[in-house]
Amino acid sequence: EDKVVQSPLSLVVHEGDTVTLNCSYEVTNFRSLLWYKQEKKAPTFLFMLTSSGIEKKSGRLSSILDKKELFSILNITATQTGDSAVYLCAVDLYSGAGSYQLTFGKGTKLSVIP
Amino acid sequence: DVKVTQSSRYLVKRTGEKVFLECVQDMDHENMFWYRQDPGLGLRLIYFSYDVKMKEKGDIPEGYSVSREKKERFSLILESASTNQTSMYLCASTPVFGGGYTFGSGTRLTVV
Repeated sequence: EDKVVQSPLSLVVHEGDTVTLNCSYEVTNFRSLLWYKQEKKAPTFLFMLTSSGIEKKSGRLSSILDKKELFSILNITATQTGDSAVYLCAVDLYSGAGSYQLTFGKGTKLSVIP
Repeated sequence: DVKVTQSSRYLVKRTGEKVFLECVQDMDHENMFWYRQDPGLGLRLIYFSYDVKMKEKGDIPEGYSVSREKKERFSLILESASTNQTSMYLCASTPVFGGGYTFGSGTRLTVV
């Protein structure tokens, strides 16, 4: 059974702290790993990772994938209250008959306090 | 920008009613998905479709059906709504060769 596990499930930090969110996976037919940020409504796309060891960066957020150890991390430096959200990790996998699907972890709820 | 539009933001239905949730995307994507999201359970796949009139069951298809008569539209149907189907429903689409998924804004369905 395909599985995506995120840790921690929730995290409270102070503004300015650096946080690392973890995502490990056990899937067949891996294609890519995606990170999303969800505030109140639908998740918004952050990163897609397909190659091991190549860091993707966007402002204070960065992410890297390790395909040998089957995990990814999402780093947020100099956190702000606007970073408070649920961060979702998902693995895109080939599900047969030319189709693909996402399997999600349960998310990490990040709360940044002033 | 790809847009995925879900027809209703909030819905309240009675137990036993037939419920239709509509999703339309405007970028000619082949793949479309319906998920539900519940606290503590994350996102779970109900059904997906990789072409017109094609559908595949996801992880939790029981109590649901889908329809994809046109490429841009993917409908989720609750044949006889039950209270355990109260949830946030999210539609998503992606091109056949992948790339980032685009989600709709979600429909919060309450079954009373």
